[in-house]
Amino acid sequence: AQSVAQPEDQVNVAEGNPLTVKCTYSVSGNPYLFWYVQYPNRGLQFLLKYITGDNLVKGSYGFEAEFNKSQTSFHLKKPSALVSDSALYFCAVRPNTGGFKTIFGAGTRLFVKA
Amino acid sequence: GAGVSQSPSNKVTEKGKDVELRCDPISGHTALYWYRQSLGQGLEFLIYFQGNSAPDKSGLPSDRFSAERTGGSVSTLTIQRTQQEDSAVYLCASSPQTGNNNEQFFGPGTRLTVL
Repeated sequence: AQSVAQPEDQVNVAEGNPLTVKCTYSVSGNPYLFWYVQYPNRGLQFLLKYITGDNLVKGSYGFEAEFNKSQTSFHLKKPSALVSDSALYFCAVRPNTGGFKTIFGAGTRLFVKA
Repeated sequence: GAGVSQSPSNKVTEKGKDVELRCDPISGHTALYWYRQSLGQGLEFLIYFQGNSAPDKSGLPSDRFSAERTGGSVSTLTIQRTQQEDSAVYLCASSPQTGNNNEQFFGPGTRLTVL
């Protein structure tokens, strides 16, 4: 079965420190990979995506993600966390052949402490 | 510009009643999606529209759930004979094109509570 795993329910990091939110997937073929963020009382917002090409993708608000095909991972990173980065982060995967379903991970709550 | 809007923002209903949830996508967006987000869970795909047709209904959990889209715009998700397990936040998203590599723009959701 196709699935997306975000192994950490919560990540705590101090402001100014680097952060990593992990995502691994089990989807056949070469899927498209996305990160979305959900701030309190706001809808999900797109952060970045990997389609093809360079394995390091840069997105909004200083976030980036590294695609690793051999490990089927797409970890979200930021060199220096801000308190305002505190939110719920979702990894999502879409197949590039057959079907239109987007598979979301369960989400990881990021807390950035001042 | 205007984003995806959903109404109502909150809906409380009694078990066995029917409910209709509305989604207004971003103008001109061809693709429209419905998801369900239960407490502590990720987003569960329900249905995908391409224009007014729904080539992927694979996520609808039962025949009590149905959805339609008219004029390539507004979509309605209907849940008949609601059950307590239907309680969740229902999210709508739209995308300007129908390709699988396009990001989705999400609405604020409708929180459904079935008593």
